[in-house]
Amino acid sequence: QKEVEQDPGPLSVPEGAIVSLNCTYSNSAFQYFMWYRQYSRKGPELLMYTYSSGNKEDGRFTAQVDKSSKYISLFIRDSQPSDSATYLCAMSEMDTGRRALTFGSGTRLQVQP
Amino acid sequence: DTGVSQDPRHKITKRGQNVTFRCDPISEHNRLYWYRQTLGQGPEFLTYFQNEAQLEKSRLLSDRFSAERPKGSFSTLEIQRTEQGDSAMYLCASSLAQHAGNQPQHFGDGTRLSIL
Repeated sequence: QKEVEQDPGPLSVPEGAIVSLNCTYSNSAFQYFMWYRQYSRKGPELLMYTYSSGNKEDGRFTAQVDKSSKYISLFIRDSQPSDSATYLCAMSEMDTGRRALTFGSGTRLQVQP
Repeated sequence: DTGVSQDPRHKITKRGQNVTFRCDPISEHNRLYWYRQTLGQGPEFLTYFQNEAQLEKSRLLSDRFSAERPKGSFSTLEIQRTEQGDSAMYLCASSLAQHAGNQPQHFGDGTRLSIL
């Protein structure tokens, strides 16, 4: 079983919809949580970075962390065709000295105009 | 452009050849990371440097792989005796080191390696 599980999709939504993307994890040492967006043939682009449980909002994006359930989410409001990409969740440990990010396999999102 | 820069963007080589990739991190970042990404998967960690010291290596980093960061600025990743299974996107990332906590990692656009 992978440390981080993410539904690969594809997820297809109409323009303007609210998108919900999720990851679950098994490693209790994960304390930092990130969401990256990756367009085809490009590197991952950092969207959101959170440390604690709760919500963090940035424009149309909201990241949610529930450490008790080992579950994180990314919500995209008023989705646009330009949001069509693969969304990767990533996590890293705290207090262990390890700096590596552990990624989910990514969810491919298609926003239909 | 002040982002992470990787060169070349695409490398095609025959099985058994050696290849070397270069990464230039964001200028003030003292941590540098290498990841490998195959189709349909998330990036997998290979190794990371703080300044010139290589502090962590994944078990994915076989003895055919070597990474250096001699002056604490740019880094190179070399693969010797390439195999078909080495075909992947090799990503570099950088971040700032803090006394406590992890700063977010920023990625380059990668080097796509194709083994014939």
